[in-house]
Order: sequence, then structure tokens, then C-alpha cells
Amino acid sequence: QKEVEQDPGPLSVPEGAIVSLNCTYSNSAFQYFMWYRQYSRKGPELLMYTYSSGNKEDGRFTAQVDKSSKYISLFIRDSQPSDSATYLCAMKASGTYKYIFGTGTRLKVLA
Amino acid sequence: DGGITQSPKYLFRKEGQNVTLSCEQNLNHDAMYWYRQDPGQGLRLIYYSQIVNDFQKGDIAEGYSVSREKKESFPLTVTSAQKNPTAFYLCASSIYEGAQANEQYFGPGTRLTVT
Repeated sequence: QKEVEQDPGPLSVPEGAIVSLNCTYSNSAFQYFMWYRQYSRKGPELLMYTYSSGNKEDGRFTAQVDKSSKYISLFIRDSQPSDSATYLCAMKASGTYKYIFGTGTRLKVLA
Repeated sequence: DGGITQSPKYLFRKEGQNVTLSCEQNLNHDAMYWYRQDPGQGLRLIYYSQIVNDFQKGDIAEGYSVSREKKESFPLTVTSAQKNPTAFYLCASSIYEGAQANEQYFGPGTRLTVT
């Protein structure tokens, strides 16, 4: 079983929809959670960073962490065609330098 | 502008040749990383370095070597011993572990093609 599971998609939604992207994990020691957006042939861009549990909002993006369920989510409101990309989740435990990544979910927002 | 630069963006080599990928950061981060990304496989850790003159193997270090002589620089050499070197290589950095902020930032990547 992988430490981090992420549905690869592709996920297709109409412009303006609310998008929900999710990752589940097995290691209860993870404390730091990140979401990245990666366009084709580009490096991943950090979108959201959360320490421990709770919600964080930044513009159209909301990150949620539910440590009891070992589940993290990224919500995108009012999705735009420019949001079409692969979204990677990543997480890390305290006391380690190693980041564990999901395989990414490919999102297509249709105009 | 603060960030991570990787060069070159595209690199072509013949089989049997060693090749070095450059990574520089001006974020004053202590830790630096090299990942390999292949379609459908996600990011795989090759090497990481927590401080200057120290580095550790990641999950797929065979056929690769690194050095960390300066805080800002972490070059990766892909040797002829690497069986499938064609891939997209990503360099990343993060602040030291003890800080509250533990985000990792990535460079733009180098696409290596070996024929």
C-alpha cells in the first residue's frame, strides 16, 4: 500500500464549477501538508501549505486537513480553464526531511 | 527575485555519457533535493542534502551522484550507470526542519533525453 493515495483522474469539469481534489494517507506522523499545481513540462508550483489540522483559504483555493480520517482536500471555487493542470499533494512528518507525494490528479476545466 | 533555477531546460546526450544538471537557489534554504518524474509514476527522490558537504541517498540513487559544496548549489550528475536516464528532473529546496514553515519549492525542471 502506498503511503499517499491520489486518484489520477482525469477529472473534467465545466468552467465555474467547484472542484474537489483529495488525498488519503496512512502515516499518522504526517504534520505538514502541501498542494502543488503543475502545468505540462513545468515544475510544480506551491499552492497551499497547512501545518497539522484545519482549513486554510487563499483566494479561490481552500485546503482542508482531517487528521482523524487521514484525508486532505483542495477545493477550487469558480474554476477557470487556466486551472487545467495536474495537482499534486505532498506531506511530511516532523523529524524527517523526506516529502511524500501523491501521483497527481489531472484536472481539465472546460470553457 | 527569489527562487530556484535549473539549467539547461532541455538536454540531449548520447548513451554512455555522463551529464551534469545544474540547480541554484537564492532562497537561503538549508535543504535541497533532486527528484525524477516519469509519466504515471509521480515524483521519486534521488538525493537530498540538509547542509553543505552532506547529502543522503533517496529512493532511486543508483546511477546518480551529487555534490553540495555551497549552500546555494546542488548539481546532479547522471552517470552512464543509470539504466533509464531519460526523464524530467526537478530540483527543490526547503527551509530547515526545525522551523515552523516546511514548504518545499521547486525549480522549473530539466528534461533529459538520452539516445
